[in-house]
Amino acid sequence: EAQVTQNPRYLITVTGKKLTVTCSQNMNHEYMSWYRQDPGLGLRQIYYSMNVEVTDKGDVPEGYKVSRKEKRNFPLILESPSPNQTSLYFCASHRASFPDTQYFGPGTRLTVL
Amino acid sequence: QQQVKQSPQSLIVQKGGISIINCAYENTAFDYFPWYQQFPGKGPALLIAIRPDVSEKKEGRFTISFNKSAKQFSLHIMDSQPGDSATYFCAACPYGQNFVFGPGTRLSVLP
Repeated sequence: EAQVTQNPRYLITVTGKKLTVTCSQNMNHEYMSWYRQDPGLGLRQIYYSMNVEVTDKGDVPEGYKVSRKEKRNFPLILESPSPNQTSLYFCASHRASFPDTQYFGPGTRLTVL
Repeated sequence: QQQVKQSPQSLIVQKGGISIINCAYENTAFDYFPWYQQFPGKGPALLIAIRPDVSEKKEGRFTISFNKSAKQFSLHIMDSQPGDSATYFCAACPYGQNFVFGPGTRLSVLP
């Protein structure tokens, strides 16, 4: 079954405590993205990767890091989380040049106290 | 120039009615315009999409209308059902790369 998985699904943490949200896809997609979803703002892209070792900033990259060492994995790192990073996060992937193949993960709800 | 505007923010429709959601964009490099449907607790899922070389695409009860000169596109849901109650996002994408999403429309279909 084609899928994008994210872990954890829910996370409550405190300001400044480093955390990583994992994302993995089993479709051999080149393109992977991280989005955050906030009420009234829709989905905003944080970072994206066009292939292994190729990453770039999206619209709201401040406070986040990513890496793409393997094609299937694209972890999101918050090195010093702050309350304004409380949000719902989605990972997505698609085949390069075939945007109709985009799949989203189930989401990670993060609360930073 | 990257922004995609979407209206209305919320929509209430009676069962059997027509739901219409509108979007507008500025970037002429966009060449793919999808609509995503999201149910509570789930990730968005592709509903229907259109390329700018056609003005309309229909899949079952869902239709996209596209006006290239006005840089606008809309989603029409015919014979709306309570099961269609969800949040709908329009999006735009240039050359199969980065997606830009609208802020979303929460649709409620009353039984």
